[in-house]
Amino acid sequence: EVQLLESGGGLVQPGGSMRLSCVVSGFNFNSYAMNWVRQAPGKGLEWVSAVSSGGGGTYYADSVRGRFTISRDNSNNTLYLQMNSLRVEDTAVYYCAKRMGPFIFDSWGQGTLVTVSS
Amino acid sequence: IVTTQSPATLSVSPGERATLSCRASQSVYTKLAWYQQKPGQAPRLLIYDASTRATGIPARFSGSGSGTEFTLNISSLQSEDFGVYYCQQYNNWPPVTFGQGTKLEIK
Repeated sequence: EVQLLESGGGLVQPGGSMRLSCVVSGFNFNSYAMNWVRQAPGKGLEWVSAVSSGGGGTYYADSVRGRFTISRDNSNNTLYLQMNSLRVEDTAVYYCAKRMGPFIFDSWGQGTLVTVSS
Repeated sequence: IVTTQSPATLSVSPGERATLSCRASQSVYTKLAWYQQKPGQAPRLLIYDASTRATGIPARFSGSGSGTEFTLNISSLQSEDFGVYYCQQYNNWPPVTFGQGTKLEIK
């Protein structure tokens, strides 16, 4: 069974940093590109970032480029999102999502809530 | 690419048919997916490549369209089908973009 489990969310002040983790099981992690997708409270879905299966290719939404860094540890089946210079508008549930083919998200974690507030 | 869904809210009785629409601001060919999200849960992939059902998705869900106009049909609504539905284009990336969602509620 495919499982994705995010952690690392919580309350942080504007300008602060936070690192999210997503531990996966049930599939060959190092064969799949992975993504982060977020959802602000009561709002729709917003793609945030992607990383290739080997980690060498990374992509970002304009809203987070230069502030967020996606990475992965294939030896430990873990995806990361380092978030710096956080803003109030970054408040959201952050989901990690497995990519099936070209940016089709076939498995999702349960999400972790990040709240940016003073 | 901007994806726009309509209607924002759809009220349908159980057993009836529901039709949800998604429009892209430029052609995405058939590079479109549909997701279902229930309150407090992660999204679930329903349809990809505009018309291919994902693994385990019941046959009452069907997708159609190409270019800029797409439709998700649910042939006979079950109680578990209510929630918010999102379309997502993946022809031009990054970024991939989601529609704003259609809330499907019980009439």
